[in-house]
Amino acid sequence: GDSVTQMEGPVTLSEEAFLTINCTYTATGYPSLFWYVQYPGEGLQLLLKATKADDKGSNKGFEATYRKETTSFHLEKGSVQVSDSAVYFCALKTSGYSTLTFGKGTMLLVSP
Amino acid sequence: DSGVTQTPKHLITATGQRVTLRCSPRSGDLSVYWYQQSLDQGLQFLIHYYNGEERAKGNILERFSAQQFPDLHSELNLSSLELGDSALYFCASSDGTGDSNQPQHFGDGTRLSIL
Repeated sequence: GDSVTQMEGPVTLSEEAFLTINCTYTATGYPSLFWYVQYPGEGLQLLLKATKADDKGSNKGFEATYRKETTSFHLEKGSVQVSDSAVYFCALKTSGYSTLTFGKGTMLLVSP
Repeated sequence: DSGVTQTPKHLITATGQRVTLRCSPRSGDLSVYWYQQSLDQGLQFLIHYYNGEERAKGNILERFSAQQFPDLHSELNLSSLELGDSALYFCASSDGTGDSNQPQHFGDGTRLSIL
């Protein structure tokens, strides 16, 4: 079945550091890929998405490129802020199916 | 604010009891999804309703059931509760049947604690 693997956290960075959170997937068919973010005490918010190979999703300085050859969708940001501290979830959705399959989440802690 | 409303925010109850969690989707969204988030299992899809009809079922226990009403709000019923049912339960909604690439929008969740 479909699955998503994320790097384990927590990832601890200083403000203005470069961020990479790795995400790889296994899926039948051609999935759409998503990154969601969960701030403390809140629900999941869609951060960005990509629906086909080589698409780049971007939002709020975060980027991720859909790499079909490596089945990856790594999240990057050039300069993190303290306010980026949250849990980040990589997810996929296979075309024709309604369910999202999530990775286990990666906690990001950014210190001033 | 995602536009998805879940009530209550917190629920504390005892083993063997029954609870009902409620979700109001974003205006115009016909699909409602339920997820369970626990420390050991992560985020697990439970069930999807589209316009009042069950559309897809995931890892939902037989003790759990859901429905979507004509006004499109949904309820998740959990019965014969066990300690392991303690978790954060999320509702999400999307427009259409959910088969497209449209994203799901999540509520803030209901935290269920079983004592």
